[in-house]
Amino acid sequence: AQSVTQLGSHVSVSEGALVLLRCNYSSSVPPYLFWYVQYPNQGLQLLLKYTSAATLVKGINGFEAEFKKSETSFHLTKPSAHMSDAAEYFCAVSQNNAGNMLTFGGGTRLMVKP
Amino acid sequence: SAVISQKPSRDICQRGTSLTIQCQVDSQVTMMFWYRQQPGQSLTLIATANQGSEATYESGFVIDKFPISRPNLTFSTLTVSNMSPEDSSIYLCSVLGIFGTEAFFGQGTRLTVV
Repeated sequence: AQSVTQLGSHVSVSEGALVLLRCNYSSSVPPYLFWYVQYPNQGLQLLLKYTSAATLVKGINGFEAEFKKSETSFHLTKPSAHMSDAAEYFCAVSQNNAGNMLTFGGGTRLMVKP
Repeated sequence: SAVISQKPSRDICQRGTSLTIQCQVDSQVTMMFWYRQQPGQSLTLIATANQGSEATYESGFVIDKFPISRPNLTFSTLTVSNMSPEDSSIYLCSVLGIFGTEAFFGQGTRLTVV
């Protein structure tokens, strides 16, 4: 069984500030972890994924995430927020590296203030 | 990457009726999935659409309520039957690319049942 918990359904940051979106997982097997972004009225777009290679994963749009097995975490960060980063972000876990049959977290809505 | 087209993008339906959602992919894919995103919530996997055979449903979802077809490698439909207001959600089609390295999502169908 696997599950994902995203702490904070809403996060607000100022433009230029650090973005930190939290994700903790539980999995009975070594997990594959994903972050997706959903812009209004659009489908999900893959930001990055962890597939047991490097623990620090770099994704698109300047985002990165670090896999910490001891903390069962996969938090998403970006050094400097941009207005265009405002969206819903989903952390997900899968038992394979392709990302099918995903178990999603509850999502975090990121708001960026000017 | 795979480009997914979902139709309709949104609809408002009367309770007791049924709606069929179409998912068309621009290339052959190995696997197709249907997810539901209830208002303010995360995504939940409904079923895996299998080509030429019955779909594989997740716990809590049944074929009579959500019949699924997949006649070929690039097309699938999801029907929401005998709708009630509780079925108001965004329904998303997802596919696994031919190389099996990433899952792609359609833009979703926003369904409102009145």
